[in-house]
Formats: sequence, structure tokens, C-alpha cells
Amino acid sequence: GQQVMQIPQYQHVQEGEDFTTYCNSSTTLSNIQWYKQRPGGHPVFLIQLVKSGEVKKQKRLTFQFGEAKKNSSLHITATQTTDVGTYFCAARIQGAQKLVFGQGTRLTINP
Amino acid sequence: SQTIHQWPATLVQPVGSPLSLECTVEGTSNPNLYWYRQAAGRGLQLLFYSVGIGQISSEVPQNLSASRPQDRQFILSSKKLLLSDSGFYLCAWSLAGGITEAFFGQGTRLTVV
Repeated sequence: GQQVMQIPQYQHVQEGEDFTTYCNSSTTLSNIQWYKQRPGGHPVFLIQLVKSGEVKKQKRLTFQFGEAKKNSSLHITATQTTDVGTYFCAARIQGAQKLVFGQGTRLTINP
Repeated sequence: SQTIHQWPATLVQPVGSPLSLECTVEGTSNPNLYWYRQAAGRGLQLLFYSVGIGQISSEVPQNLSASRPQDRQFILSSKKLLLSDSGFYLCAWSLAGGITEAFFGQGTRLTVV
């Protein structure tokens, strides 16, 4: 069954508004990865978090890994139309060989 | 540099027909290989993964199978397609053993009619 839960499933915002997607697991994760899939495209790696409480930034994107390493979030400040797509979190389990994805959050933006 | 090739890009197959999707990776050795399926507007479902030649782990019971006849070749097959097999199939690879990202192929959009 699904081992990484992601919410919300959909999010529609006005351009310039902020956006956040959340990822949760019932078990402690060794790491969390985030990917972006543009409409019609394939997932592309954004970032990986490994340490408890880690925060990383990529321009307007802020990624956080929870202190207990069971949850993570991706926050986009002042969304732009280029941010449209589906954002996935992913976690490696079973000795890091198996890569499981969350259900994804589909972001649409009203210009 | 490493590259991943997945083909075909689109495929329309009748119900009951066989399926063979191929994925190859270049520029690396002994990669972890993955097959995912994405239904329209849905998430990525892990179907199979492989850590070496002939080693296949199946995640979801279904009428699909996977094989890894060579180190950098991963094949997804079915003997008889069902309507429910329609979807976007993605192959991916990552470095073995470490905590590294996955690199995806362009995907195959399969429609079973």
C-alpha cells in the first residue's frame, strides 16, 4: 500500500499567491526527494533532504524535512505560470532500493 | 553522461494483445531500474524494480511482468492487455546502493482499446 501520503491532491491559485504541498509517512524516512512533472512530461528531480529538520531553498522554492523525519513540505512563494505542474515527494525504503512516490499535488495557476 | 531511452512514445493496442515496452540506460553500470504507471491525473504507481540482471521485484499483482536480460535493459511485458492497463508508463534509473535521485525516461502513453 501507499507508504507516503501527499496532500492536497489539487491546488489552484492566482498567480502571485503562495503554494504548499505536504508529504507524510507513518514510518521514519531515511531521506525525502521532490520531483516536478510538467503537463505531458516526465518527473524531474528537484531536491533531496536527508537530515532531520533540514531546510533547503531553490529561488522561490523552500523544502523542509521534519524533525522526526516523517514529514516534508514544499513551499513556493509568489507562484508564476511556469510553476504549473504536478509536484511529487518520494522516499527510498527497503534498504534504499525501492523508490516510492506520493500521490502528487497538481498545481494550476490563474494568470 | 548518462541517458535513458524509452520507446515507443505512444502506443494503441487492442484488448487481449501482447505488450512489450523497452527501456535502456547508457553511461552507467549496474543501475537500479524501475517501471512506474501513471493513470490520467493520478500519481506514480511503482510496478517493478530491479537491482541487477534477472532480479525483479514486483509491487502490484497484475497481468504485467518485467525482465532485465541485460544490465542496462529493462522490459515491461504483458501476454494479454486489459482496458485497465491504459496509462502512462515511465521507466527510471538510479545509482545502485546510494541515496540518489531517479532519472526518468520520456514515458510511453499506452491506450488499450
